[in-house]
Amino acid sequence: NAGVTQTPKFRVLKTGQSMTLLCAQDMNHEYMYWYRQDPGMGLRLIHYSVGEGTTAKGEVPDGYNVSRLKKQNFLLGLESAAPSQTSVYFCASTIGTGRLDQPQHFGDGTRLSIL
Amino acid sequence: TQLLEQSPQFLSIQEGENLTVYCNSSSVFSSLQWYRQEPGEGPVLLVTVVTGGEVKKLKRLTFQFGDARKDSSLHITAAQPGDTGLYLCAGVRFRNDMRFGAGTRLTVKP
Repeated sequence: NAGVTQTPKFRVLKTGQSMTLLCAQDMNHEYMYWYRQDPGMGLRLIHYSVGEGTTAKGEVPDGYNVSRLKKQNFLLGLESAAPSQTSVYFCASTIGTGRLDQPQHFGDGTRLSIL
Repeated sequence: TQLLEQSPQFLSIQEGENLTVYCNSSSVFSSLQWYRQEPGEGPVLLVTVVTGGEVKKLKRLTFQFGDARKDSSLHITAAQPGDTGLYLCAGVRFRNDMRFGAGTRLTVKP
């Protein structure tokens, strides 16, 4: 029962470097989400996808790009990392049937530090 | 400014005590969820409430959704060390707009 798997778990980058965070889910979920979690601010939605080949902006999309080429994978990219992007990043997925009470299943996070 | 304000931010109590944490907003939500998060892990859903005034019980945890669907509370009876964690509320305004509160960090001392 893998659920939602995030890769890598930790990463340190220098300002200006680029990287991609990978999220994979094995539950055949339609919807996938990327959040960042910062102290005192809770989880904030970066981008989300309601199906393969679709993406949409969330609350804090600037500086990030995403792709959903396969239903099970959702990639989050940082083209030019900035210290303000130091955070813990969480991926989540839901069934996506339109029901209001469906739970979000979260991965264990990627801790990213930008120096 | 958070759309959902959670209080208190931190709570440290002794085993066996009761406690209530709050999640308040000026916005109306179609549903509200409570999650618990432990260090190094992602949040895990505890409950979803969808009807104004709804009360749900999960063993020693009681969740209430306000009549106007703008606020919610979580009451824990006879807290145990295993209840320690970060409690997050999350409100859904429309299908893909879910906003999280900053959380209440609960510590239950044995």
